[in-house]
Amino acid sequence: DQQVKQNSPSLSVQEGRISILNCDYTNSMFDYFLWYKKYPAEGPTFLISISSIKDKNEDGRFTVFLNKSAKHLSLHIVPSQPGDSAVYFCAASESGDYKLSFGAGTTVTVRA
Amino acid sequence: NAGVTQTPKFQVLKTGQSMTLQCAQDMNHNSMYWYRQDPGMGLRLIYYSASEGTTDKGEVPNGYNVSRLNKREFSLRLESAAPSQTSVYFCASALSSYEQYFGPGTRLTVT
Repeated sequence: DQQVKQNSPSLSVQEGRISILNCDYTNSMFDYFLWYKKYPAEGPTFLISISSIKDKNEDGRFTVFLNKSAKHLSLHIVPSQPGDSAVYFCAASESGDYKLSFGAGTTVTVRA
Repeated sequence: NAGVTQTPKFQVLKTGQSMTLQCAQDMNHNSMYWYRQDPGMGLRLIYYSASEGTTDKGEVPNGYNVSRLNKREFSLRLESAAPSQTSVYFCASALSSYEQYFGPGTRLTVT
C-alpha cells in the first residue's frame, strides 16, 4: 500500500506562471519530506526538503509547504521555466529510518 | 568526483538468465540503495544497506539478491530473470538517511 501519493500524474503550465504540485501521505510517523526532480534518461536529483517542525521551506524559485494535520505537502515553482519540465517525485521518511518512500511522480510540462 | 556510477546502462536478458548490476559511489557515503522505477509506480525500494556489512529488504525484494562488497560498492543480482523484472534500476547512496544521491540508471529488458 503506497504511503506517499501524488494524485496528479501530469501538469501543464505556461512559462512564467506558478506550478503547484501536490503530495499526500498516510503514515503519521513521517517527519521529513523531500522533492526530487528527474529528467529523462537521468537519475533523480534532490530539489528541496522540509522537516516536520516547519511548515514552509524556500529555496529560490522553489517553496515547499507542509500541512501536518492534513498530511499534505505541496511544491510551488514560481516562475516556471522551460527547464523545469521534468518528473517530480515526493518522498518521505521517519526519524532514524534509512529508507525513503516515494510517490508515483508528477510530470510537469512548461509551455513557452 | 563521479558521484554514483552504474553499469551497464542497458541490458537485454532472456527469461531465466542471470546478471549482476553494479553500483559504486565515491562520496564516502554509509548507506546505499537499489530501486526500480516502473510507469505509474514511482521508485520502489528493492534492497538497501545502511552501512558496510549490512543489507536489508525493501518493499519489493523477491527475485533479487544484493552484496555490499565494501563501502563503495553495492551490487544487485537477478538469479533467474523474469519479464516482470523489466524496469529501470537506480542505485543511490546517502551520508545520512535523508538526502539520497542517485546514479543514472540501468534500463533492463527481459524477454
